[in-house]
Amino acid sequence: AQTVTQSQPEMSVQEAETVTLSCTYDTSESDYYLFWYKQPPSRQMILVIRQEAYKQQNATENRFSVNFQKAAKSFSLKISDSQLGDAAMYFCAYRRLDSNYQLIWGAGTKLIIKP
Amino acid sequence: DTGVSQDPRHKITKRGQNVTFRCDPISEHNRLYWYRQTLGQGPEFLTYFQNEAQLEKSRLLSDRFSAERPKGSFSTLEIQHTEQGDSAMYLCASSLMRGGTDTQYFGPGTRLTVL
Repeated sequence: AQTVTQSQPEMSVQEAETVTLSCTYDTSESDYYLFWYKQPPSRQMILVIRQEAYKQQNATENRFSVNFQKAAKSFSLKISDSQLGDAAMYFCAYRRLDSNYQLIWGAGTKLIIKP
Repeated sequence: DTGVSQDPRHKITKRGQNVTFRCDPISEHNRLYWYRQTLGQGPEFLTYFQNEAQLEKSRLLSDRFSAERPKGSFSTLEIQHTEQGDSAMYLCASSLMRGGTDTQYFGPGTRLTVL
């Protein structure tokens, strides 16, 4: 069975600095998707970035980028120029390519931005 | 595109009562998912629909839980004879399957408190 592990329950970063959130996963599949979602306090889950396993190029979305290491089964999220609005729970999620489209989630990392 | 909506946002009920939640997906999305999220954890998959067909149910979904999506549009999740352990955030997500890939968009959730 697939599992997703986020080993950092909480991280803090100074505003305008860069922070990296870790995620590792376990799967026997060769093709799959990986996601980072953000959940601000009392607000809904928002997709931050998505990575297809068959793509070697790391996905980027403005200040957000990933370091996808397929052999190591690692999928970290880097947030550059951190802003106060980035404060949230960040969840890493995995999804197989086949007909089972459910997401498998990590436990989340709480990101605190220090002004 | 008004996003995924859920109603109610909060529900407080007494143990043993029945509750029903509603989810309205993004209008053109053919897939709809229900998740449960407890405090400090990532979401756990409950069930999903493709159009009106319920294609998968988690073992977490006991006989007290039932979900419907009668016309392939909105969905309801009913919990009968609620227990204190049912207290959680219930999240709905929708997606459009296109070209072998889809991304799930989440609603704000319904927070259930069972007294």
